[in-house]
Amino acid sequence: DAGVTQSPTHLIKTRGQQVTLRCSPKSGHDTVSWYQQALGQGPQFIFQYYEEEERQRGNFPDRFSGHQFPNYSSELNVNALLLGDSALYLCASSLASGSPHEQYFGPGTRLTVT
Amino acid sequence: AQSVAQPEDQVNVAEGNPLTVKCTYSVSGNPYLFWYVQYPNRGLQFLLKYITGDNLVKGSYGFEAEFNKSQTSFHLKKPSALVSDSALYFCAVRDKAAGNKLTFGGGTRVLVKP
Repeated sequence: DAGVTQSPTHLIKTRGQQVTLRCSPKSGHDTVSWYQQALGQGPQFIFQYYEEEERQRGNFPDRFSGHQFPNYSSELNVNALLLGDSALYLCASSLASGSPHEQYFGPGTRLTVT
Repeated sequence: AQSVAQPEDQVNVAEGNPLTVKCTYSVSGNPYLFWYVQYPNRGLQFLLKYITGDNLVKGSYGFEAEFNKSQTSFHLKKPSALVSDSALYFCAVRDKAAGNKLTFGGGTRVLVKP
């Protein structure tokens, strides 16, 4: 049973560029959340997707956008990259129905903006 | 708004001694509480959760946590620490009334010395 997978593992971009990060949820999960973890800090919630729609959003600008596909996989897009966008981006999957379920995290994508 | 505080940046403990990692939270409604562990260059691994019921929750790798509503705390404990427990630990809260997002504390680094 594959867990949450993310690609790429590492990425280096230049200020002003655009980036797309990808996530495949754990088998059987239908909800995907994205988090940004800056160095030395806890993860910060970006947004969550369920049924191909953004259901909840954290305090991030519109430069951060996402998508969920019919197979539940998801993409995170960041436009007009800033140096401050350098971070570990974590994808987490969970099941929407039933009792509150823990979120399972992928290994993350390390984004460096130069 | 929900928030989590982990008052200790680092906890040092000798192998075989008890380990405690502190967490306090603030939510407007009833909380769901979680502990995650992060090893270097890895994503977050779920340890345990409190949803309702017994205040003492048992989780993976011999960890447990005690929910204290009056003190709004959810401290993580392990009776006998191992060197392999050295890692970064995050407490997180989900407010039932605020949707599905997790709010994380800043993390506590645990160093277990042989």
